[in-house]
Amino acid sequence: GQQVMQIPQYQHVQEGEDFTTYCNSSTTLSNIQWYKQRPGGHPVFLIQLVKSGEVKKQKRLTFQFGEAKKNSSLHITATQTTDVGTYFCAVPYSGGGADGLTFGKGTHLIIQP
Amino acid sequence: NAGVTQTPKFRVLKTGQSMTLLCAQDMNHEYMYWYRQDPGMGLRLIHYSVGEGTTAKGEVPDGYNVSRLKKQNFLLGLESAAPSQTSVYFCASTLSSYNEQFFGPGTRLTVL
Repeated sequence: GQQVMQIPQYQHVQEGEDFTTYCNSSTTLSNIQWYKQRPGGHPVFLIQLVKSGEVKKQKRLTFQFGEAKKNSSLHITATQTTDVGTYFCAVPYSGGGADGLTFGKGTHLIIQP
Repeated sequence: NAGVTQTPKFRVLKTGQSMTLLCAQDMNHEYMYWYRQDPGMGLRLIHYSVGEGTTAKGEVPDGYNVSRLKKQNFLLGLESAAPSQTSVYFCASTLSSYNEQFFGPGTRLTVL
C-alpha cells in the first residue's frame, strides 16, 4: 500500500517558538489531509489539500502541498501550550483497491513553557 | 448530535476470548472505517464499509471480522483475541472517501 514518511517523530520547542512537520510520499498524491490528536484523544481533522502548490492558513497554522504533489508541510507560528499533541498527515490508501486513509506515523509536538 | 460513538471505552480480554466493538454514527455517513493505533505506528486501516451491507479489507484485516447491518452501525469482532491485538481501536465515518473523516473517542483493548 501507499507509504508516507513523516518527520520528525518528536519535536521539543519552547513556547513561542515555531514548529514544522513534513510529510513525504514516493508517489504523486491526489490529496493529503492533516489531523491533530491531543494526548489521550482521538484524531481531529484539520485540513485537506488538493491542488499542486496549494497553501492554506488557519490562524497560526500554515499548510502547504508541494508542486509535485509528493510532499506537504504543516507550520505552526509561535506555538502555544494548546498546540501540544500529535500531528498526522494522511493520504488515500492505495493497497489492493481498498478505501480509507494511510496515516503517517505522526510528529509529537512537546512544548516547554 | 453525538457524532461518532464507540462502546466500550476500555476492555481487558484473556487470550482466546472473543468480543465485539460497536461504532455508531448519527451523521448519515455512507463510509465507515476501523483503525488500530499502536505506539509509533500511526493509525492502520483494519476494515471498512462503503455502505449498508458492504464490508471490505484494509491494510491489517487478519484476526478481525466486521459487519454493517445498519447504515449507522459498524461492528468489529475479534473471534479469538491474541496479545498482538492489544491496541487502541478507532472508528471513523465520512460522507465520501474524499471528505474529512470523523473519529470516535476510541476503545482501549488489552489482551492478556
